[in-house]
Amino acid sequence: NAGVTQTPKFQVLKTGQSMTLQCAQDMNHEYMSWYRQDPGMGLRLIHYSVGAGITDQGEVPNGYNVSRSTTEDFPLRLLSAAPSQTSVYFCASTEGPNTGELFFGEGSRLTVL
Amino acid sequence: AQKVTQAQTEISVVEKEDVTLDCVYETRDTTYYLFWYKQPPSGELVFLIRRNSFDEQNEISGRYSWNFQKSTSSFNFTITASQVVDSAVYFCALTRLNTGFQKLVFGTGTRLLVSP
Repeated sequence: NAGVTQTPKFQVLKTGQSMTLQCAQDMNHEYMSWYRQDPGMGLRLIHYSVGAGITDQGEVPNGYNVSRSTTEDFPLRLLSAAPSQTSVYFCASTEGPNTGELFFGEGSRLTVL
Repeated sequence: AQKVTQAQTEISVVEKEDVTLDCVYETRDTTYYLFWYKQPPSGELVFLIRRNSFDEQNEISGRYSWNFQKSTSSFNFTITASQVVDSAVYFCALTRLNTGFQKLVFGTGTRLLVSP
């Protein structure tokens, strides 16, 4: 009963480095998304997916890349990290378009120096 | 465009006081969903309630209650007899139908501090 699993939970990068935040769910959910949380700004949508092979941009997609090759996994890639990407990242998943519970992962705290 | 406003940045109360967290939203959609989430100091997001725009009935769950008023575009959250464990940041959020609840628009949150 893992739910939504995010790895790593903490990461420190240097400006210009690349990395991938992993998100996996074991509930066969079609819908998945990534949010970032910054102080005083709530959560903002980065990218989302409505199924394997289908992704779309959210409110703040610049600097991030996603792909959805399987139903279970939805990785978030930072190609060239910048200090402005220092944030807490949350992955979420849902079963269907208007049904089920929205599950969030525990979050990944990223610091870019 | 959709927008959620939580005007109260921080609220401090003493244990056993009642407290209401305000949420005002903007949307051009006639059908939508509203949510409340709790984020305790440990950082995870805890689901509290989901309400669709078809249902304007108020809801009560233990010490928690929600007042949904379409006429004023508000979805306020009241904690009765607050406890120290209620200390957290509370987020209100909004999304359209048929999005798998994935395109949430969050408010900036209200930090609630309950002191003994």
